[in-house]
Amino acid sequence: DTEVTQTPKHLVMGMTNKKSLKCEQHMGHRAMYWYKQKAKKPPELMFVYSYEKLSINESVPSRFSPECPNSSLLNLHLHALQPEDSALYLCASSQDMEGWGGFVEKLFFGSGTQLSVL
Amino acid sequence: AQKVTQAQTEISVVEKEDVTLDCVYETRDTTYYLFWYKQPPSGELVFLIRRNSFDEQNEISGRYSWNFQKSTSSFNFTITASQVVDSAVYFCALSEAEEVHNQGGKLIFGQGTELSVKP
Repeated sequence: DTEVTQTPKHLVMGMTNKKSLKCEQHMGHRAMYWYKQKAKKPPELMFVYSYEKLSINESVPSRFSPECPNSSLLNLHLHALQPEDSALYLCASSQDMEGWGGFVEKLFFGSGTQLSVL
Repeated sequence: AQKVTQAQTEISVVEKEDVTLDCVYETRDTTYYLFWYKQPPSGELVFLIRRNSFDEQNEISGRYSWNFQKSTSSFNFTITASQVVDSAVYFCALSEAEEVHNQGGKLIFGQGTELSVKP
């Protein structure tokens, strides 16, 4: 069983809807990530939170809004999405490797949310 | 610039065959990390191995083995006596230490190799 839990597993939304994706981990990891994956493509990094602060935003459109309320939770708020945003959204977490001051990514991934935008 | 190339898009083998998945990377950093992940149809990416750039020892884990060669910038993955459960998409990935240190980490994935093992 994955130790990173994502809800919902599937989401269908219209272009005017507002929805949120949720991710939770209880491994004590201090880095959490959002990746987007289109079919037959590799995951693409969207956001990284390090110690609950946004450390990387890969020029993601503002219709995607991440939030990290605490070290165990990561949300992705969606608003006014486009059909091309339909994809698998993967959450991941990793542990700070002592001495590096950063995160060496043995990433633990959730099973993802399959999003369809109509 | 950092880049990971998995030239094999799809591979199909019959059960019990050995199969090697190729991975070639580019980086300017002298300290970096290489990974292999497996993505079965369920969608979750499963960590298989991490190697740092100073450790060129090959590794074997059961039916899986990895061959890391800095001279050719390759990190190939071999499955011995493949099984149907090995069917998945396999991703090779790279992370540069400088990126890790400065920004909290960024993993660059190759395009993936879809492995199909037929009974």
